[in-house]
Amino acid sequence: DTAVSQTPKYLVTQMGNDKSIKCEQNLGHDTMYWYKQDSKKFLKIMFSYNNKELIINETVPNRFSPKSPDKAHLNLHINSLELGDSAVYFCASSQRTGRDGYTFGSGTRLTVV
Amino acid sequence: KNQVEQSPQSLIILEGKNCTLQCNYTVSPFSNLRWYKQDTGRGPVSLTIMTFSENTKSNGRYTATLDADTKQSSLHITASQLSDSASYICVVSFRSNAGKSTFGDGTTLTVKP
Repeated sequence: DTAVSQTPKYLVTQMGNDKSIKCEQNLGHDTMYWYKQDSKKFLKIMFSYNNKELIINETVPNRFSPKSPDKAHLNLHINSLELGDSAVYFCASSQRTGRDGYTFGSGTRLTVV
Repeated sequence: KNQVEQSPQSLIILEGKNCTLQCNYTVSPFSNLRWYKQDTGRGPVSLTIMTFSENTKSNGRYTATLDADTKQSSLHITASQLSDSASYICVVSFRSNAGKSTFGDGTTLTVKP
């Protein structure tokens, strides 16, 4: 009965590959997010979707493409992976726009070798 | 310059001791402020939420304070336990339709026996 679940938990891949991370929430929230946490542990917003509509798109390389098939799912596809993409990626959801707080997934640790 | 600044960046204390973490923000107009705890290898979890009119809120051994005039918040941890070792992140939300939030860079707390 996990509220926000993301898969896989760990992902090790070679440079140049394409990979996807999946996220699902069962909280009935309207908004979902992808955050990147680097080695210094700073959390940075990447994307936000509200009812399947993109509402936040920070300065992220266009190799990253989010897809929201419905409001309970937000997947992240990354093309042509680079070493600098290595980080922990967190999915989160919130009711409305985050003012009511976020529920985070447990993270996906991506290592590009 | 981040609109939400936390200090100290890291802190080491002995088990049983108290500590206080600081969060200063310039976000305006202000909606609310949340403190999150992030254990190693996990996603952040909300500890407290404070709105403009609230000065103090407690959650067990965690007590958050807010001074909306000086735009400062603190998180006080009483009688620390080893399990308090984590990153603590301050998140401030805007009072607007977009309701965007700004994350602080976190304070890493280590509690030693």
